[in-house]
Amino acid sequence: KAGVTQTPRYLIKTRGQQVTLSCSPISGHRSVSWYQQTPGQGLQFLFEYFSETQRNKGNFPGRFSGRQFSNSRSEMNVSTLELGDSALYLCASSLEAYYTQYFGPGTRLTVL
Amino acid sequence: AQRVTQPEKLLSVFKGAPVELKCNYSYSGSPELFWYVQYSRQRLQLLLRHISRESIKGFTADLNKGETSFHLKKPFAQEEDSAMYYCALETSYDKVIFGPGTSLSVIP
Repeated sequence: KAGVTQTPRYLIKTRGQQVTLSCSPISGHRSVSWYQQTPGQGLQFLFEYFSETQRNKGNFPGRFSGRQFSNSRSEMNVSTLELGDSALYLCASSLEAYYTQYFGPGTRLTVL
Repeated sequence: AQRVTQPEKLLSVFKGAPVELKCNYSYSGSPELFWYVQYSRQRLQLLLRHISRESIKGFTADLNKGETSFHLKKPFAQEEDSAMYYCALETSYDKVIFGPGTSLSVIP
């Protein structure tokens, strides 16, 4: 089975712009979660989607949003980018809640 | 509040020595606890979860509800164990709270 894939792998944006990141889960997995990883804050939960519905959300401002499509692929969007949004964004998929999460390689976002 | 703490940012041990990576959690419900590992230039991956009570790569972890701890142990460290280790707590619907991580360095 192919693993979780994320595109793009690297992205450079400037302040004020918006960005969309994509995640393709492992085939058959219906749950997709997003995390932000920074040296200062570590790994922080952003949100989780299951069957196109957001079931859980972390403590991030409304500039961070996401969605999931009927094929379980997910996108996350960050609007009005700030320098502090520079991070590695990780996506993880699992069959269902409480099942093992499998992580993608991440998208490295740099905001200048 | 739901929280995971790992008191050691860095841990160095000699090859063949025992290793223990500490993890404490704060959660009012019934915890689902995990250890994730990230080797250099590889993606984050599950090492073990408490519910399965498995031993992976010689590592074990016991959930101690009285001390709210889930320490990771291995009797004899190997060089290939050098990596970043994260303790994690899963609450509802795949909301996973990660600890800050411990970087383990095994000295040959």
